[in-house]
Amino acid sequence: AQSVTQPDIHITVSEGASLELRCNYSYGATPYLFWYVQSPGQGLQLLLKYFSGDTLVQGIKGFEAEFKRSQSSFNLRKPSVHWSDAAEYFCAGYNNNDMRFGAGTRLTVKP
Amino acid sequence: DVKVTQSSRYLVKRTGEKVFLECVQDMDHENMFWYRQDPGLGLRLIYFSYDVKMKEKGDIPEGYSVSREKKERFSLILESASTNQTSMYLCASRIGVGIWYGYTFGSGTRLTVV
Repeated sequence: AQSVTQPDIHITVSEGASLELRCNYSYGATPYLFWYVQSPGQGLQLLLKYFSGDTLVQGIKGFEAEFKRSQSSFNLRKPSVHWSDAAEYFCAGYNNNDMRFGAGTRLTVKP
Repeated sequence: DVKVTQSSRYLVKRTGEKVFLECVQDMDHENMFWYRQDPGLGLRLIYFSYDVKMKEKGDIPEGYSVSREKKERFSLILESASTNQTSMYLCASRIGVGIWYGYTFGSGTRLTVV
């Protein structure tokens, strides 16, 4: 079955520190991959996506993600976290008209 | 700016009530989706619709039904609400068969069944 796994339920980082959120996928073929962010009380906002080509993709709010086929991963990164980045982050994979979401990683930012 | 609007942010309903959750999009999107979001489980697909009057079951359709009489509106119906349906409900839409823009989500409806 197609699935997306986010191994970390909750991550805490200090403001200004770097961030990496992990995402692994299990699909028969490479899916299209997405990262969404959900601020408290809000819906999901698209941060970035990977379809093909350059494996390092840039998104909004200073985020980037790297696709690694050999590791079936699509990890989200940010070099310096801001307090406003505190939110829940969802990785998603799309293939054959089916979108699957990971369980989410909640990010807490310490002052 | 394109929008998916969910009519209620918070709802409190009693067990056994019939509950309607409404979603409207202004982007002329063909595809609309209802998800349920629970801690540790992520988003699970309840129902989706490819076009007016069309509907397909998702992964967890039990206890739910949907209605799509107009292209812009997709309603989720809880025929007889139960406490295990207390959750955050998210509506989303997508243009045609294209996935380039991903899904556009509403702000969610947090439903509490007491």
